[in-house]
Amino acid sequence: AQTVTQSQPEMSVQEAETVTLSCTYDTSESNYYLFWYKQPPSRQMILVIRQEAYKQQNATENRFSVNFQKAAKSFSLKISDSQLGDTAMYFCAYLWGYSTLTFGKGTMLLVSP
Amino acid sequence: DAGVTQSPTHLIKTRGQQVTLRCSPKSGHDTVSWYQQALGQGPQFIFQYYEEEERQRGNFPDRFSGHQFPNYSSELNVNALLLGDSALYLCASSLAEQQTYGYTFGSGTRLTVV
Repeated sequence: AQTVTQSQPEMSVQEAETVTLSCTYDTSESNYYLFWYKQPPSRQMILVIRQEAYKQQNATENRFSVNFQKAAKSFSLKISDSQLGDTAMYFCAYLWGYSTLTFGKGTMLLVSP
Repeated sequence: DAGVTQSPTHLIKTRGQQVTLRCSPKSGHDTVSWYQQALGQGPQFIFQYYEEEERQRGNFPDRFSGHQFPNYSSELNVNALLLGDSALYLCASSLAEQQTYGYTFGSGTRLTVV
């Protein structure tokens, strides 16, 4: 079974700084998809960024980028120029074929002024 | 364009009772997935519905059941509620052939069992 591990329960960063959230996963598949979701206090899960495993190039969405290391099964999220609105729970998730999204336990990110 | 809508937003039930949660998927989506998120944890997959059939199921007891209607909306039913069923229940929708692009989530229903 696929598992997703987020080893950092909480992270803190100051406004305008850069922070990296870690995620590792376990799978025997070669073609799969990885995601980072953000869950603010409003509770709604918001898709931050998506990576296709067969693509070598790391995905980027504005201030958000990933470091995808397929051999190491590692998928970290880097947030540049952190903003107060980035405060939220961040979940790493995995999906393969017609399976369903499998989530990690999450990392609480607190951005302070 | 409305996203995923869930109702009610909050609910308090007594142990042993039954509850029904509702979800309307994003316009154009045909697949609905339900997740249970305990406090401080990641969402756990309950089941997924497509074409009014349960397509996949996670490791949840038969007390958890669901339904999908012809308009793609869905219900989650939980019978014989236990204190441990207290959680945030999230509904997510997707288009079957595009689910690898990720799911769209609702804001959830907070269920408290007392």
